[in-house]
Amino acid sequence: DAGITQSPRHKVTETGTPVTLRCHQTENHRYMYWYRQDPGHGLRLIHYSYGVKDTDKGEVSDGYSVSRSKTEDFLLTLESATSSQTSVYFCAIKAGTGNTGELFFGEGSRLTVL
Amino acid sequence: GQQVMQIPQYQHVQEGEDFTTYCNSSTTLSNIQWYKQRPGGHPVFLIQLVKSGEVKKQKRLTFQFGEAKKNSSLHITATQTTDVGTYFCATSNFGNEKLTFGTGTRLTIIP
Repeated sequence: DAGITQSPRHKVTETGTPVTLRCHQTENHRYMYWYRQDPGHGLRLIHYSYGVKDTDKGEVSDGYSVSRSKTEDFLLTLESATSSQTSVYFCAIKAGTGNTGELFFGEGSRLTVL
Repeated sequence: GQQVMQIPQYQHVQEGEDFTTYCNSSTTLSNIQWYKQRPGGHPVFLIQLVKSGEVKKQKRLTFQFGEAKKNSSLHITATQTTDVGTYFCATSNFGNEKLTFGTGTRLTIIP
């Protein structure tokens, strides 16, 4: 699975608390992505990174921040979790560059915000 | 960003029947990718199409990219229980690293 590890795999938290999800890769890929998956919405891009300290917003970035201080780690932070952020979060890395690279996904992190 | 509409949202078929899912866009696509996600799993890359009118086959799966590069389809011949899952199309703008996914088609098989 392209050496991608997500942690934690499951988390239950309360509204208003901060949450950080971690994505770790072992193959030195430049591009990393965070998606959320919800019924009826498919996979929606939250943020992505194209290098260390280089990140950009996706279509559903409000309420989320990211950081990439080293190539292998891409962190997704919910500063103050809300119930609408209950979702399954997938990290992905891109093999290759340009429009033609395929994505390899991690196993997902299931977050429940009470 | 690029938007793609995927239909149908759900499809229930008898084992052995064929299955098709469609991905449509109002604008020209630079490429189309297809992914499969098994229940409880993560999306897995199946194939990428980049050329107008391109057709690719993987055993019982046939992938097509429209002549105008505005639509694509995935056809499964003689479905098997192992085909169960959700199939997503995805695309990115020319020169853009963001990959946008369709809403997926969930396939269930009736044995």
